[in-house]
Amino acid sequence: EPEVTQTPSHQVTQMGQEVILRCVPISNHLYFYWYRQILGQKVEFLVSFYNNEISEKSEIFDDQFSVERPDGSNFTLKIRSTKLEDSAMYFCASSETRQVLTGNTIYFGEGSWLTVV
Amino acid sequence: QKEVEQNSGPLSVPEGAIASLNCTYSDRGSQSFFWYRQYSGKSPELIMSIYSNGDKEDGRFTAQLNKASQYVSLLIRDSQPSDSATYLCAVNSGGGADGLTFGKGTHLIIQP
Repeated sequence: EPEVTQTPSHQVTQMGQEVILRCVPISNHLYFYWYRQILGQKVEFLVSFYNNEISEKSEIFDDQFSVERPDGSNFTLKIRSTKLEDSAMYFCASSETRQVLTGNTIYFGEGSWLTVV
Repeated sequence: QKEVEQNSGPLSVPEGAIASLNCTYSDRGSQSFFWYRQYSGKSPELIMSIYSNGDKEDGRFTAQLNKASQYVSLLIRDSQPSDSATYLCAVNSGGGADGLTFGKGTHLIIQP
């Protein structure tokens, strides 16, 4: 079964450093997403990406964050000047089409656990 | 502010019984509703989606939607210990929005 893969599975970084989280969405999927989940909290939408541009972003997704699809397979989330409160599990996800219109499943990767110290 | 509310539990159900999970949402314009299962430390896994009022059944799972009451529920029949997990309710508000608003989840424990 095709799956969304994420690297690294766990990263520890010092406060103020930049991190890049990487994702390989399912190959025929066109919509890509990042969500995060702070330990013990709800899953929160960060951003969606389609046709090489941001389709929608939440209030959380401020100038500290950016996304990129540098080649035909990878989808990355960059977090600049990391803060302690950025510690969370970051989930990449993808869907074949826009879920809300067609009901296609959003497939989540296994997550990248970011610890900022 | 769009809110999705769930009872955090834990909800303890004997094996073989019916587990009933509930969710309310604040945005009356919401159009798409989803139930995800999340095991500890793992990613959410889609269980059911529902878009119109009424019931939708898939195997042991039944999703129920009442838009007038802004209420979504998930029934799990013949509960198994492997069903023990946190169940997340997620809502999409429609109107071109891509993102899902998740509830905090209900922790379900199936007692053998």
